Amino acid sequence: NAGVMQNPRHLVRRRGQEARLRCSPMKGHSHVYWYRQLPEEGLKFMVYLQKENIIDESGMPKERFSAEFPKEGPSILRIQQVVRGDSAAYFCASSPPGPPNQPQHFGDGTRLSIL
Amino acid sequence: GENVGLHLPTLSVQEGDNSIINCAYSNSASDYFIWYKQESGKGPQFIIDIRSNMDKRQGQRVTVLLNKTVKHLSLQIAATQPGDSAVYFCAERHTGNQFYFGTGTSLTVIP
Repeated sequence: NAGVMQNPRHLVRRRGQEARLRCSPMKGHSHVYWYRQLPEEGLKFMVYLQKENIIDESGMPKERFSAEFPKEGPSILRIQQVVRGDSAAYFCASSPPGPPNQPQHFGDGTRLSIL
Repeated sequence: GENVGLHLPTLSVQEGDNSIINCAYSNSASDYFIWYKQESGKGPQFIIDIRSNMDKRQGQRVTVLLNKTVKHLSLQIAATQPGDSAVYFCAERHTGNQFYFGTGTSLTVIP
């Protein structure tokens, strides 16, 4: 019973490059969430998606960041023209369809380092 | 061992003792709460949840208490084991499916 799968686990980019982070939710889960975590801090909500729809992107920077969850394939968090401040761990979580009060299950994250 | 709110982000307990981790949440309208455990290099792992219409919920070796009057949540771990060493986060749901996470408490179990 595979959990939430994120790849790559580690990603190194130079300033100005693009970073693409992938997330495959748990089987049967149709809701995907992206969070960002800085060292010794809690997780900060970025975006909530359902298949082909962005439901809530209130936590995502307006520029350079975008997310998608296509009908087929994983969810993608894309960061264009990365800067040093983008260095963080990015976690994806998923939850099943149905009532909102359900736990989100997390992947092990992608650690993004910007040189 | 016990910590209070977010002013003591680290907690050390002897193996076998009970641990109490506290969390002050921000929004009186929050209706659902989760405790997560995060080990180094891994994602948060679900421990236990509680809805706002309850004030206590028990799991295996863990108990969550909710005091809505003072907006306080606690996680009690019975007979703490070395494998319990991790950072513990409380998360509250405001509206929709967005969760807000606390800063976290680092629990160290001393063998």
